[in-house]
Amino acid sequence: QQQVKQSPQSLIVQKGGISIINCAYENTAFDYFPWYQQFPGKGPALLIAIRPDVSEKKEGRFTISFNKSAKQFSLHIMDSQPGDSATYFCAASMGGNTPLVFGKGTRLSVIA
Amino acid sequence: DVKVTQSSRYLVKRTGEKVFLECVQDMDHENMFWYRQDPGLGLRLIYFSYDVKMKEKGDIPEGYSVSREKKERFSLILESASTNQTSMYLCASRGHGRIQETQYFGPGTRLLVL
Repeated sequence: QQQVKQSPQSLIVQKGGISIINCAYENTAFDYFPWYQQFPGKGPALLIAIRPDVSEKKEGRFTISFNKSAKQFSLHIMDSQPGDSATYFCAASMGGNTPLVFGKGTRLSVIA
Repeated sequence: DVKVTQSSRYLVKRTGEKVFLECVQDMDHENMFWYRQDPGLGLRLIYFSYDVKMKEKGDIPEGYSVSREKKERFSLILESASTNQTSMYLCASRGHGRIQETQYFGPGTRLLVL
């Protein structure tokens, strides 16, 4: 049973456009929601994370929007750049030492 | 700067061989994890360890075992490699706390089993 569902599987965005990746979860005990970015040949790296006590978190061009009632969260990349081309994973956990549960990933290509 | 290193970037093994994948972290993290990454399937947890000599099964432990004799080192063992274990293997580590800390990944080992 997939606990975190991520969509779309792949995304092509024009340079300067907005990239949006969505995730949905079922487990209401989840209380930590990170996004990881992975470039080819590299391991994933934490991009941005949110906890359910806020509805939005912004870091530069990257924003997480969180909807607790809908059990959904999304990553928005403003002014997308070719350097943002990577695979993005959403994840969730119950905090503490519990393992992260990852979505299946979204391959983003930003074209000039 | 946190560093998670994996012993090999690429590995080619024969079916039936015993394979060891090594992971070392330098941040004194209590938690360590092994994932495999396959196209369209994302990151799937194989095993994790929250302390020396402790281990817990993840979502897909079949065909794998692990060893954690020292805090900084977490080994993944394929007892008898099979072609369906061809994959990218990622190690990760994370500190221990009530509030979840950042999880750091190694660069991965791409394993090909022939």
